[in-house]
Amino acid sequence: AQRVTQPEKLLSVFKGAPVELKCNYSYSGSPELFWYVQYSRQRLQLLLRHISRESIKGFTADLNKGETSFHLKKPFAQEEDSAMYYCALSEPGGSYIPTFGRGTSLIVHP
Amino acid sequence: DGGITQSPKYLFRKEGQNVTLSCEQNLNHDAMYWYRQDPGQGLRLIYYSQIVNDFQKGDIAEGYSVSREKKESFPLTVTSAQKNPTAFYLCASSLDSAGTRALHFGNGTRLTVT
Repeated sequence: AQRVTQPEKLLSVFKGAPVELKCNYSYSGSPELFWYVQYSRQRLQLLLRHISRESIKGFTADLNKGETSFHLKKPFAQEEDSAMYYCALSEPGGSYIPTFGRGTSLIVHP
Repeated sequence: DGGITQSPKYLFRKEGQNVTLSCEQNLNHDAMYWYRQDPGQGLRLIYYSQIVNDFQKGDIAEGYSVSREKKESFPLTVTSAQKNPTAFYLCASSLDSAGTRALHFGNGTRLTVT
């Protein structure tokens, strides 16, 4: 059963608009959650992880255990944010191998 | 320059032939992984290895085989038993298999079987 759900295959916004990429998960414990990004012609790379509570390239993501969500947000999208974004979950102490969502393609129009 | 190297970038094979994809890392990472990336399906785990000479099946291991004879190498063989082998294959590594460790990915190999 899929444990990480990214409901949007494609998200299209204009430059300067806020962006939110949704990620919901199903796990009863305390998961480790990550966002990975794949820019055009580049390798897949880590964007941020929830335990670091960091902001990378203006993106933030907050773990909401009540809603089992880990949405990725940025207040003002830039054209260079256009990429494929994957949410991933690890289960510490259990099967810790990361499980990925199906990905959301973000397109930021000028 | 440390990282993960996958070769070749593109691979073409005829149906019924086995093919081996190379993955080498010089990051001194213990754990290595193979994922398959298909449009609309995200990344699906094929095999993973936490330590040399040991590996486990992932979610879609049927038709694939791996070996981990050296820490830095984790080759994937796509056998003729794999029903839909045409795909983009990603190799990754992490420092260890703890759940908080980020994965480092290679550039991928695109396999086309006709």
